Amino acid sequence: DAKTTQPNSMESNEEEPVHLPCNHSTISGTDYIHWYRQLPSQGPEYVIHGLTSNVNNRMASLAIAEDRKSSTLILHRATLRDAAVYYCIHDNQGGKLIFGQGTELSVKP
Amino acid sequence: GAVVSQHPSRVICKSGTSVKIECRSLDFQATTMFWYRQFPKQSLMLMATSNEGSKATYEQGVEKDKFLINHASLTLSTLTVTSAHPEDSSFYICSARRGQGRNTGELFFGEGSRLTVL
Repeated sequence: DAKTTQPNSMESNEEEPVHLPCNHSTISGTDYIHWYRQLPSQGPEYVIHGLTSNVNNRMASLAIAEDRKSSTLILHRATLRDAAVYYCIHDNQGGKLIFGQGTELSVKP
Repeated sequence: GAVVSQHPSRVICKSGTSVKIECRSLDFQATTMFWYRQFPKQSLMLMATSNEGSKATYEQGVEKDKFLINHASLTLSTLTVTSAHPEDSSFYICSARRGQGRNTGELFFGEGSRLTVL
């Protein structure tokens, strides 16, 4: 199984940066690292993905360790709308994504 | 806007009846779609991979005769829960990837369909 390990929950204050960690020690050399988030009663939403280099987009940044066994999703300024469950996934199942338990992020005003 | 759409968003049915959920890719063709199920306070569980023009591939432990999947066109996959029972009540979510290759691009998810079986 493409297993990742994330903290069950994290808290953040509004307007502050948030660093969400993920361990993926079984990742192979060709697997991308994907991050999705899910708001209550909605389907997951793509956040970011990368292979080796750090990645930035309008939503977040992804910092990937040199050995690729871990990564960190960075939300630069958390807002109340960022409260969600964040899933880190690495894809070694032929295109299908297997979700772990994710991290439930709460954001305090 | 949404690029993968599901219908219906909510459905309530009586035990023993069958329910069909549709998943459409709105502005791209998807030869492969994925169906997930999610129980309250739990993560998404992959049920099956829907393949256009061929049989779906089911994950271990998922009954193919219970959850019928049809992918008749490049933009539509359907999941039919046959002879539904209360334990089938769940949030069903479909997804599709735009582009070819397993690592190219994001996976788009539908809004989900909440099934309640009385």
